[in-house]
Amino acid sequence: DTAVSQTPKYLVTQMGNDKSIKCEQNLGHDTMYWYKQDSKKFLKIMFSYNNKELIINETVPNRFSPKSPDKAHLNLHINSLELGDSAVYFCASSQEGFNRVYGYTFGSGTRLTVV
Amino acid sequence: AQSVTQLGSHVSVSEGALVLLRCNYSSSVPPYLFWYVQYPNQGLQLLLKYTSAATLVKGINGFEAEFKKSETSFHLTKPSAHMSDAAEYFCAVSEPGGYNKLIFGAGTRLAVHP
Repeated sequence: DTAVSQTPKYLVTQMGNDKSIKCEQNLGHDTMYWYKQDSKKFLKIMFSYNNKELIINETVPNRFSPKSPDKAHLNLHINSLELGDSAVYFCASSQEGFNRVYGYTFGSGTRLTVV
Repeated sequence: AQSVTQLGSHVSVSEGALVLLRCNYSSSVPPYLFWYVQYPNQGLQLLLKYTSAATLVKGINGFEAEFKKSETSFHLTKPSAHMSDAAEYFCAVSEPGGYNKLIFGAGTRLAVHP
């Protein structure tokens, strides 16, 4: 199936730990994103990569570090996890490029719970 | 700066009734506008988008939206609600030029009752 796939789907961890979330898309898209959805369902962009190059970096703590080894993968590493990091993290991809808009394809999300 | 306001965090309709979900945007340039739907424990799915072509946009599952520049609105409608339409709906805006960044509204939860 063509899709955006994220792993793991659920992640429960203790404060202070370091964790990673992986994302892969087989749609041939050039651009990938990480969004955070909080407990009130509000979605906020965190990062975006276009062809492995970071193009959007919102005001996100330095504990969050994205890595894109190739244009089909965008991983998110989080250091020293805090209670406030608990949320659902969505990966998305699009064929958007400079001044081109097609719409995003989202993964099914990773529910991170920090205890 | 671009922003989106969705009026009504919860909307409840009867099965077969008209669905109207409201979205108003703020943008310094003519925007691109989107509606996404999120079913429980799933990711977001694109319903429809407006990218400066026809102002009345038809999407999947019988939904449509009309871009009204004078009202800075992009309301989502469906003539007859179905039980399967119960979900969270998000309006989003992006500004043309440069790399696309979607700014989402707070979402509207649609409940459909028999």
